[in-house]
Amino acid sequence: KNEVEQSPQNLTAQEGEFITINCSYSVGISALHWLQQHPGGGIVSLFMLSSGKKKHGRLIATINIQEKHSSLHITASHPRDSAVYICAVRSGNQFYFGTGTSLTVIP
Amino acid sequence: ETGVTQTPRHLVMGMTNKKSLKCEQHLGHNAMYWYKQSAKKPLELMFVYNFKEQTENNSVPSRFSPECPNSSHLFLHLHTLQPEDSALYLCASSHDISPLFFGSGTQLSVL
Repeated sequence: KNEVEQSPQNLTAQEGEFITINCSYSVGISALHWLQQHPGGGIVSLFMLSSGKKKHGRLIATINIQEKHSSLHITASHPRDSAVYICAVRSGNQFYFGTGTSLTVIP
Repeated sequence: ETGVTQTPRHLVMGMTNKKSLKCEQHLGHNAMYWYKQSAKKPLELMFVYNFKEQTENNSVPSRFSPECPNSSHLFLHLHTLQPEDSALYLCASSHDISPLFFGSGTQLSVL
């Protein structure tokens, strides 16, 4: 079993829809990261959080440390949001990664 | 642009070839990583270097050989690879508790 589990694995949404991607982890962490990977491979860090909630534009990330759970929300989704979203946690000097959620936003 | 540069972006090699992947960062980070990304699998950590010293080697076959001449440069030397080694190879760097900064990756195909 992977230390980080994401759901759903694949997600298709209509432009404008509100999107939620979930992440659960089983290890003690110092921080949780949400990453975005576009076709072509490059990975960009969207958020690093250890408690509460962070917002950047249309993206919102929340974390519940007691429940070992995080969510990434996208409001008013747009086709350019189409990408793979990866949840990663830092535990000591190790990073553990989810398998990613492939999001497609249709115009 | 994340500040981590990887070359080449794409590489096709035969099983008897020898090639090298290069990674460079000028972010002042002290740790550099090689990850392998295969379809439908989580990122797999291959090697970690901290201040040029290798601190992690995740049971990677010896046909992959890392080199870290200084804290800004990281290489992955490849020789006698197998078709199942075809994957996206990602370099990343970080400093203490900072996020990982990833390069764009090298898409490797072994024929």
